[in-house]
Amino acid sequence: AQSVTQLDSHVSVSEGTPVLLRCNYSSSYSPSLFWYVQHPNKGLQLLLKYTSAATLVKGINGFEAEFKKSETSFHLTKPSAHMSDAAEYFCVVSDPFSGGYNKLIFGAGTRLAVHP
Amino acid sequence: SQTIHQWPATLVQPVGSPLSLECTVEGTSNPNLYWYRQAAGRGLQLLFYSVGIGQISSEVPQNLSASRPQDRQFILSSKKLLLSDSGFYLCAWRSLAGGTGELFFGEGSRLTVL
Repeated sequence: AQSVTQLDSHVSVSEGTPVLLRCNYSSSYSPSLFWYVQHPNKGLQLLLKYTSAATLVKGINGFEAEFKKSETSFHLTKPSAHMSDAAEYFCVVSDPFSGGYNKLIFGAGTRLAVHP
Repeated sequence: SQTIHQWPATLVQPVGSPLSLECTVEGTSNPNLYWYRQAAGRGLQLLFYSVGIGQISSEVPQNLSASRPQDRQFILSSKKLLLSDSGFYLCAWRSLAGGTGELFFGEGSRLTVL
């Protein structure tokens, strides 16, 4: 069965320092993986996606993630945090063989705080 | 380009009153449509999904229902709201025609039941 674990519920960084949000997944097949960002009282916005092409995926706003099959990880990184990055981040896995409608499994979310 | 609209953005309703949240998608045909709920501290919960007009699947038994009267319209309803229905409701769509499976979300509807 598919599952996704976001290892930190809260991450706090200083502006200008690197960001690392960790995600591990469990999948019987080669999954598709996504990172979404949600600002307060807003919908979720797609940051980036991995779909079995390049293992290092670049997304919007300077974020990137690396798919590591041996570690079953898909960690999200950014070299330098900006105040506007403060939000909640969701790691998502998709298993095309999980049922009739290609179910997405959402992680519990990581709240990123950025301090001046 | 495709857009998704959700309304109302904010709603305060008394217990026992009815509910109707509406979602429409533009710029695509035959999308898969979804309703999710975010309750405080409980993550994202899939409520309903639809693969076509009149086709609704429920993920969680509850006080809510969904309908899809038109290809790009998805409605979430309740006849009598409960306190536990409070939360942030998100509509989403996905195209399986040449897409890579990601969901596109609306801006959400904040429901407070008093």
